[in-house]
Amino acid sequence: QVQLMQSGAEVKKPGASVKVSCKASGYTFANYYIHWVRQAPGRGLKWMGMIMSSGGTRNYAQEFQGRVTMTRDTSTSTVYMELRSLRSEDTAMYYCARGDTDRVTDYWGQGTLVSVS
Amino acid sequence: DIQMTQSPSSLSASVGDRVTITCRASQSISNHLNWYLREPGKAPKLLIYAASSLQSGVPPRFSGSGSGTDFTLTISSLQPEDFATYYCQQSYSAPLTFGGGTKVEVK
Repeated sequence: QVQLMQSGAEVKKPGASVKVSCKASGYTFANYYIHWVRQAPGRGLKWMGMIMSSGGTRNYAQEFQGRVTMTRDTSTSTVYMELRSLRSEDTAMYYCARGDTDRVTDYWGQGTLVSVS
Repeated sequence: DIQMTQSPSSLSASVGDRVTITCRASQSISNHLNWYLREPGKAPKLLIYAASSLQSGVPPRFSGSGSGTDFTLTISSLQPEDFATYYCQQSYSAPLTFGGGTKVEVK
């Protein structure tokens, strides 16, 4: 079955960076995108960007341009999302999700809580 | 960016009720509209994609309709496990954007 397993919770200081991993299994990794979505406390869902698992084509939301980098390791079917220059407003639950060519995100990871304080 | 407006932001209902949630896009998105259920502490779960297609494994009491800018999610007979928050999302163009959510609560 399709599974996306994310790395554990992180606590960071303002100005630091965080790198969250998302390990995929149960499907052909190269055939899908991985999207990253976050939800801050009391806020809605916000799309951060996506990366194609083969070829590495990326598309980042304008809000995160310059601060986010998404990479993938095809040998381990793992995608990484690094967010730099963290501030308190980046405290959120971060999710990875599998996306098809129509950008429908059908399977989601369990979430990674990133706390910045 | 395409803005998604959901209504209502919350509603109270009872088991067995028919529930309707609407979502409006700031521009035409054809049928590139998806609906998710979000339970506290859990990841969003895809219910409906392409406006009206039921995701595999989702009970048929959930249905979606609409195209262009106006969309609807209907739960034909609310079940106890359906009390949660629902989000619409447009996948027409990046950045993908979500509605603000509709919390379905027990009356």
